[in-house]
Amino acid sequence: GAVVSQHPSWVICKSGTSVKIECRSLDFQATTMFWYRQFPKQSLMLMATSNEGSKATYEQGVEKDKFLINHASLTLSTLTVTSAHPEDSSFYICSARARSGGRETQYFGPGTRLLVL
Amino acid sequence: SQQGEEDPQALSIQEGENATMNCSYKTSINNLQWYRQNSGRGLVHLILIRSNEREKHSGRLRVTLDTSKKSSSLLITASRAADTASYFCATDASGFQKLVFGTGTRLLVSP
Repeated sequence: GAVVSQHPSWVICKSGTSVKIECRSLDFQATTMFWYRQFPKQSLMLMATSNEGSKATYEQGVEKDKFLINHASLTLSTLTVTSAHPEDSSFYICSARARSGGRETQYFGPGTRLLVL
Repeated sequence: SQQGEEDPQALSIQEGENATMNCSYKTSINNLQWYRQNSGRGLVHLILIRSNEREKHSGRLRVTLDTSKKSSSLLITASRAADTASYFCATDASGFQKLVFGTGTRLLVSP
């Protein structure tokens, strides 16, 4: 099956710094990628939809200036958490949408764990 | 919130027993999907059922969908310790994979 990677897998940073997380589709092109956030023992919450070559669409309550998304190519989307604070500590998961046999399928990355001190 | 609800929140069973998890959602859907997540890991897609389907099987998994009740169930038969994980339902209203996840069920299968 299709593979989606995330880098880094985990990151620890000081409060106030910015952190960039990469999401790559390794063996297929993805015009659309999704970014989710998952707090401990909770479900995934969609943060934004990343579209190649255009601005991301953010879900209600997600600050676009804090969570910068860039989908520069058909295989790479990046999420930058700007001026991170301890409350931004979470598990960030991306997914990439692929079209196969006339059907849309979504493949998830392994996630990036962010800890802000 | 558009998030779906799952019950039970946690389920503890013995190996060999069946595990049933239920999911309720709020809006019309194109399809409903079930995912598995091992602790601290990414998601693994288990099965997708379309709105015009009522039941689907995949190995030891059986999924039902009742669109009139806006609910779905996931049955894992003859469970194994390796099935221990969190299970999430996710609804896709548009067919373009913009998913809304349920609250999840944490399954513990003891040897």
